[in-house]
Parts: sequence; C-alpha cells; structure tokens
Amino acid sequence: NAGVTQTPKFQVLKTGQSMTLQCAQDMNHEYMSWYRQDPGMGLRLIHYSVGAGITDQGEVPNGYNVSRSTTEDFPLRLLSAAPSQTSVYFCASSRVAGGPGNEQFFGPGTRLTVL
Amino acid sequence: GQQVMQIPQYQHVQEGEDFTTYCNSSTTLSNIQWYKQRPGGHPVFLIQLVKSGEVKKQKRLTFQFGEAKKNSSLHITATQTTDVGTYFCAEYNYGQNFVFGPGTRLSVLP
Repeated sequence: NAGVTQTPKFQVLKTGQSMTLQCAQDMNHEYMSWYRQDPGMGLRLIHYSVGAGITDQGEVPNGYNVSRSTTEDFPLRLLSAAPSQTSVYFCASSRVAGGPGNEQFFGPGTRLTVL
Repeated sequence: GQQVMQIPQYQHVQEGEDFTTYCNSSTTLSNIQWYKQRPGGHPVFLIQLVKSGEVKKQKRLTFQFGEAKKNSSLHITATQTTDVGTYFCAEYNYGQNFVFGPGTRLSVLP
C-alpha cells in the first residue's frame, strides 16, 4: 500500500491564481481531511469528508473548496490564492471518523508559497 | 470554541534526560491522540487514550489520560536523539472532528 499520497510536493503561485492540491489513499478509508500547518499554530482543519459524496467545513474553510467523488480521492482547490494561504498542507485519512480506529494517516505534505 | 493547549512550547534536553509534555483541554475529552512529527516530515500517530486515568506505555514513552479526562501527558524516559521532533496532542470531539494542540518541539543535545 502507498498509504496517503499528495501532489505536488512544492508549489509557488502568484496572488489570484487557482490550483488543486491532489490527495489519494489506497486503504479504503472512510474519513479524509485537509489541514494547514503554520509555524507555532499546530494543524488546523480546513475541510473533511466522512465518505464519498459528503464533505463539510472545518475550522478554516474560507478560500478553499473540496469534493469527494470517490473513496480514494479528496482534492483541495484554492479558488484565488492569497499570500495568507502560504503554508504546508497535509491530507490525512482514517478508517472511520470517530471511535476506535480513527487514528489518522498523513500524507507527506505540499509546501505552498503564494507571492 | 474547543481549545487544546500544550506546554511547554519548546524543550531542550541533554541526551539521557527525561522529557514531559502536557496537553490541556477546556472541555471534557471523549478521547485523545498523540502524534509525532519529525523535522520536515509529516505527523505520525503514536497512541490513542480513551478511558479516564488510562496509562499506556510504548518502550520509553508513557502516555497518561487524566482522571477527569481534561488533560493528558506524554513522558519520555532517557531521551535519545531519535526523539527529536514536535509532539502534538489531538482531541476528537464528535461533530467537531479533530482539534490539534500547537505542539511541543523537543530538541535533544547529544
């Protein structure tokens, strides 16, 4: 199993550009999520999904869209990039949303810089 | 809203010394998880605690859940350079999903 994969690893955007961060998992996990990590602020939840066709907002959803058309894939779209979105983005998945077995497996991350 | 606090923010220890990080919540927790992130890496799950007063051990690491389920601790005995990284606690609150603490960054001097 490849686990959780993310592409690209690095990306530089100009203000106003849009892009999609890709995330895929091959563990048949129900729950997938996107986090951003900024220095000294831990991991903040952007969006999450408890299954195909179901998504919901996390703590910091503004400026981001998600969709979950398959169990495996959970892309994150930046609609109009802003310098405040410069961060490291992690995708994670877990077998279930809550209860035993909800430990999260993280992808390697995407380091995004917005100029 | 739900808040998770961790102390200390940074800890520098000499190799062989012990290390403890504390996680405190403003609400009663249903469960708590601990993750480790090596420099430049991604968070890796260490353990989950569910029961009040629960204590779990993984080699030199000891994890504890408070009796009131509002705090947790991670203790490392005789640190090694391989313990370097940031340790996060995360609480899962049904309906609100995971909330991560800001982390404790551990450096170990050889």
